[in-house]
Amino acid sequence: DGGITQSPKYLFRKEGQNVTLSCEQNLNHDAMYWYRQDPGQGLRLIYYSQIVNDFQKGDIAEGYSVSREKKESFPLTVTSAQKNPTAFYLCASSGLRATYNSPLHFGNGTRLTVT
Amino acid sequence: RKEVEQDPGPFNVPEGATVAFNCTYSNSASQSFFWYRQDCRKEPKLLMSVYSSGNEDGRFTAQLNRASQYISLLIRDSKLSDSATYLCVVKNNAGNMLTFGGGTRLMVKP
Repeated sequence: DGGITQSPKYLFRKEGQNVTLSCEQNLNHDAMYWYRQDPGQGLRLIYYSQIVNDFQKGDIAEGYSVSREKKESFPLTVTSAQKNPTAFYLCASSGLRATYNSPLHFGNGTRLTVT
Repeated sequence: RKEVEQDPGPFNVPEGATVAFNCTYSNSASQSFFWYRQDCRKEPKLLMSVYSSGNEDGRFTAQLNRASQYISLLIRDSKLSDSATYLCVVKNNAGNMLTFGGGTRLMVKP
């Protein structure tokens, strides 16, 4: 079955450590996205990528970095520069060119706790 | 003004009631609209796309009003299992950016 896989589901880190969240999709989607969700809040866009080897900052990119070396993969690194990294991180993908009205498909999310 | 705004609720309704949510958007050039459902501590899941002429899927009806720049979601005959947060999502006219509303929380009581 096609889908998006995020790992791990739960992640615990000490303050000052970088951590990388994995996101893989086998939907053959061009576009991939990373969102952050804080308790009781909506989703905020961190980074997005429409094509391999290219990505753009979203609304809250500071303290985060991404790469898009393969179409299927869009890992997110939460760096020590991110002041409040504890949150629920959601990866998503969508078709882009051929399917303009394509909705987002989400992974199950990674819940990161930094102490 | 936020790009996409929703009443956060919660909307507390009895089982069997009809409930409606609105979502306003600020970019008049927005082209695609969606409603997502998110259960507590889970990822959002697509409920339905919103088409210009309005569309229905079982107990759910979505409407788009371009002149007033809002979309709506109507749920008829509410079930306990409809309790969730409903997210409004607007896609820009370039087709590459989706903006989420803050969500409206619905609680259906027995």
